[in-house]
Amino acid sequence: GENVGLHLPTLSVQEGDNSIINCAYSNSASDYFIWYKQESGKGPQFIIDIRSNMDKRQGQRVTVLLNKTVKHLSLQIAATQPGDSAVYFCAELNTGFQKLVFGTGTRLLVSP
Amino acid sequence: DSGVTQTPKHLITATGQRVTLRCSPRSGDLSVYWYQQSLDQGLQFLIQYYNGEERAKGNILERFSAQQFPDLHSELNLSSLELGDSALYFCASSVEGRTYNEQFFGPGTRLTVL
Repeated sequence: GENVGLHLPTLSVQEGDNSIINCAYSNSASDYFIWYKQESGKGPQFIIDIRSNMDKRQGQRVTVLLNKTVKHLSLQIAATQPGDSAVYFCAELNTGFQKLVFGTGTRLLVSP
Repeated sequence: DSGVTQTPKHLITATGQRVTLRCSPRSGDLSVYWYQQSLDQGLQFLIQYYNGEERAKGNILERFSAQQFPDLHSELNLSSLELGDSALYFCASSVEGRTYNEQFFGPGTRLTVL
């Protein structure tokens, strides 16, 4: 896949476990934070986003937590499934500049 | 399927050459973004167009240029190619480009420079 060779941190979990993927962001002026999932051979796929004035947002099986004090973002995936195996990227956006700044990514491996 | 299409899927060329990558946004989306994903730099924003005009610029080399046409499709032109330009190039589109809107990514073009 396209991320072979990148020294990505890897999280290995068993099917059914809850997964937590962490991300440190850099710009305290960012307005939005977004999590993307990238499967091998595909483009990034939107998972969930959170605005900077929120600290938690829930979706289907996913929760994003934002801690602005320490500039930390996390993605929690409940009841992880083999189909969740992918590289996960956090991204931050300052609406004044309209460009997504991506983190380095975390590879999630889910074993049946 | 995001609705964003990119052609070609793969491109192999030699150093010094010039290539053009094409992107068609989702129907109704006015804004197009180009990103480069390389092994050592990760995913990096290159440039954004909104309704035919350049809206934001990232770490795009002077050898690279882009444009968005009246039918809203976009092309990324890469010239005087170097080995280090080998990467995946993604296009994304969003409804508009002045406030936050979800960006939908295409499947990418894999460029190999030999």
